[in-house]
Amino acid sequence: GDSVTQMEGPVTLSEEAFLTINCTYTATGYPSLFWYVQYPGEGLQLLLKATKADDKGSNKGFEATYRKETTSFHLEKGSVQVSDSAVYFCALTGGFKTIFGAGTRLFVKA
Amino acid sequence: DVKVTQSSRYLVKRTGEKVFLECVQDMDHENMFWYRQDPGLGLRLIYFSYDVKMKEKGDIPEGYSVSREKKERFSLILESASTNQTSMYLCASNSLAGAQKETQYFGPGTRLLVL
Repeated sequence: GDSVTQMEGPVTLSEEAFLTINCTYTATGYPSLFWYVQYPGEGLQLLLKATKADDKGSNKGFEATYRKETTSFHLEKGSVQVSDSAVYFCALTGGFKTIFGAGTRLFVKA
Repeated sequence: DVKVTQSSRYLVKRTGEKVFLECVQDMDHENMFWYRQDPGLGLRLIYFSYDVKMKEKGDIPEGYSVSREKKERFSLILESASTNQTSMYLCASNSLAGAQKETQYFGPGTRLLVL
């Protein structure tokens, strides 16, 4: 069945460092790909998405490109801030169901 | 602004109690979902519903049931709570049409402790 694998955390970075969180997927068909973020004490919220191959999703300085050839959707940000500390989930949606990765916790130190 | 609300942020129940978790969305979404979130396991789908009175089992439905009598409301029921159901429960909704199709909108979660 469909699945999502993302890098384990926690990831600890200093402010202004470059961030990459890896995400790969297996899927039949052509799913849409998502990154969701969960801040402490809250539910998940959409960070960015891409609906077809080679699409780039971007929001708040984060970006990810839908790579069909490598079945990947890696999240990147050029300069992280303390306020980016959260748990990040990669996900794919095909039809009714969404499959989530296990989540990667990011700590950003001042 | 889109909104999904859950009836409680924190609940403490005793083993064997019947527990109701309520979720309401104001976006007229067809689909609603219940997940549980546990450390290291990510989100696991318990049940979902694609229409009023319709329900489908997710990956871990055992020990749970659901009810969707109105489009905006989706209830999760723990028939007889057990300690292994201590978890964070997240409700979500989405639509398969429109500009934000497939994007899931989440409530703030209910943290349930079963003693």
